[in-house]
Amino acid sequence: GQSLEQPSEVTAVEGAIVQINCTYQTSGFYGLSWYQQHDGGAPTFLSYNALDGLEETGRFSSFLSRSDSYGYLLLQELQMKDSASYFCAFSGAGSYQLTFGKGTKLSVIP
Amino acid sequence: KAGVTQTPRYLIKTRGQQVTLSCSPISGHRSVSWYQQTPGQGLQFLFEYFSETQRNKGNFPGRFSGRQFSNSRSEMNVSTLELGDSALYLCASSTPDRGGTEAFFGQGTRLTVV
Repeated sequence: GQSLEQPSEVTAVEGAIVQINCTYQTSGFYGLSWYQQHDGGAPTFLSYNALDGLEETGRFSSFLSRSDSYGYLLLQELQMKDSASYFCAFSGAGSYQLTFGKGTKLSVIP
Repeated sequence: KAGVTQTPRYLIKTRGQQVTLSCSPISGHRSVSWYQQTPGQGLQFLFEYFSETQRNKGNFPGRFSGRQFSNSRSEMNVSTLELGDSALYLCASSTPDRGGTEAFFGQGTRLTVV
């Protein structure tokens, strides 16, 4: 079957760095995406990894290891507005269908 | 460029009724996907349409159906509503320009079945 596992909750201090891990299981895999969703809001795209390695976009970085079926999202210089749910998702072949993990609720505290 | 627009934003329906939700994708996007979001199950894929053709369907009963029009606008229909259908229904559009890797979501339709 297809599945993604990520921690349900993470708490971190403002200004710190936090890493949200995601392990996945699938037979057909084309890339790992990360989305952010604030309470009451729509998911918004953060990053995408098709190849192994690190992708950096401002304060956010995402990493993928295809051999380990593992990825993570790294958030640096945490701000209160980063408090949200973060979802990893993979896309398969032949469609733009996304399979999501259950999400990690990040709480940033002063 | 306008984002993905979903209507209505909120709906209250009674068990047994049917409901139709609408989604207008970003101009130029030909792929529209629908997702159901609930606290217990998270984001679950319903179906994806590309150029009026359903390319994939998730593991949902036949009461859930959809279609896409020639202008890429999409509708989803749920018949014989059940209490468990209460959820946030999200629509997302994508473009081949980015290989479909970035999905743009609408604000969703919050459906409550009573």
